[in-house]
Amino acid sequence: SQKIEQNSEALNIQEGKTATLTCNYTNYSPAYLQWYRQDPGRGPVFLLLIRENEKEKRKERLKVTFDTTLKQSLFHITASQPADSATYLCALDIYSGAGSYQLTFGKGTKLSVIP
Amino acid sequence: SAVISQKPSRDICQRGTSLTIQCQVDSQVTMMFWYRQQPGQSLTLIATANQGSEATYESGFVIDKFPISRPNLTFSTLTVSNMSPEDSSIYLCSVEVWGEGYTFGSGTRLTVV
Repeated sequence: SQKIEQNSEALNIQEGKTATLTCNYTNYSPAYLQWYRQDPGRGPVFLLLIRENEKEKRKERLKVTFDTTLKQSLFHITASQPADSATYLCALDIYSGAGSYQLTFGKGTKLSVIP
Repeated sequence: SAVISQKPSRDICQRGTSLTIQCQVDSQVTMMFWYRQQPGQSLTLIATANQGSEATYESGFVIDKFPISRPNLTFSTLTVSNMSPEDSSIYLCSVEVWGEGYTFGSGTRLTVV
């Protein structure tokens, strides 16, 4: 069966350290992998997108890697701050036919950055 | 990026009634997506709404329960029909912005009593 696993439901980290979140998937061949941030009571907010032929993507303090052989993505937040505390969602953009793509989400990792 | 206005933001409804959720996008988009997020869970795609054609529903979701309208390229509605407490969830609409991921509405928090 197809699965997207974010292997930590919750992650606590000290302010200033690098947070690393993991996303593994099975039985998918995604065209893109995306990371979102979700705050309580809000919709997800897009952070980064990485294509299947890209190994790494950076945006400010964020870095995403994508290994299609391992079927894994790592999401890093460097110099983490309490304001980074949120739930982070991994999502796969899967081709669903007729030129359309469908976004499928993992369950998310709740990150808490401790001052 | 697109901006989505979704309403209502929350509602408390009696079982057996229906609620219609609206999403307005500030630009024309081909497809709009409707998701459900049950308490403590991630997002599950309900259906994809194309303008001018019937919505495409995912496994486990049917048109009679979740009718969708898509009258133009900037607007869509999702109705949750004949509600039961199990329908208590957050419902979200979304559009794709090419190269910039998906933009989501702020969500509708539905409680069925």
